[in-house]
Amino acid sequence: DQQVKQNSPSLSVQEGRISILNCDYTNSMFDYFLWYKKYPAEGPTFLISISSIKDKNEDGRFTVFLNKSAKHLSLHIVPSQPGDSAVYFCAGAYKLSFGAGTTVTVRA
Amino acid sequence: DAGVIQSPRHEVTEMGQEVTLRCKPISGHDYLFWYRQTMMRGLELLIYFNNNVPIDDSGMPEDRFSAKMPNASFSTLKIQPSEPRDSAVYFCASSLSYRDEQFFGPGTRLTVL
Repeated sequence: DQQVKQNSPSLSVQEGRISILNCDYTNSMFDYFLWYKKYPAEGPTFLISISSIKDKNEDGRFTVFLNKSAKHLSLHIVPSQPGDSAVYFCAGAYKLSFGAGTTVTVRA
Repeated sequence: DAGVIQSPRHEVTEMGQEVTLRCKPISGHDYLFWYRQTMMRGLELLIYFNNNVPIDDSGMPEDRFSAKMPNASFSTLKIQPSEPRDSAVYFCASSLSYRDEQFFGPGTRLTVL
């Protein structure tokens, strides 16, 4: 059973606009969430994380929002750049569980 | 540090053959993780080690899969016998602690014919 779900397999956005990636989870034991970014033929790389005691964490162009009551988190990328085109995975930590990923394409 | 090293990068084998994937974690990292990536299921955690000891192998799909970590700088994931449905990209990752960011290797693309 997938405890972390990314229901949008792909997202296309114009350069300079906002990218919003969504992630839902079912396990209320998760106390830490992470986002990873993956380019083709490479391993995932860590992007940003958030503890369950927070509802927002920001790092440059990347902001993660957590809504515990809805068991939902989102990643905002503002502004989107062509180099952001990649697959993004969200993960919940307690027992590590990754979503299936969302492929982001940023159009010039 | 060179990062997490995996070998081979690509492996093509025939059904029934034994496959061994190798991983060298980042020096000083106490945790090592093995993942499998498929189109259908995304990234699945297979097993992880803490200080060379397997902690959770509940993600290992079948008894055909086994993993070892004989020392802090080396781990193997073995599939015996391999089947076509094992075809996937296998990643190894290491981290300082369970909740710290994980550093992934480049992956091994396995194709079982």
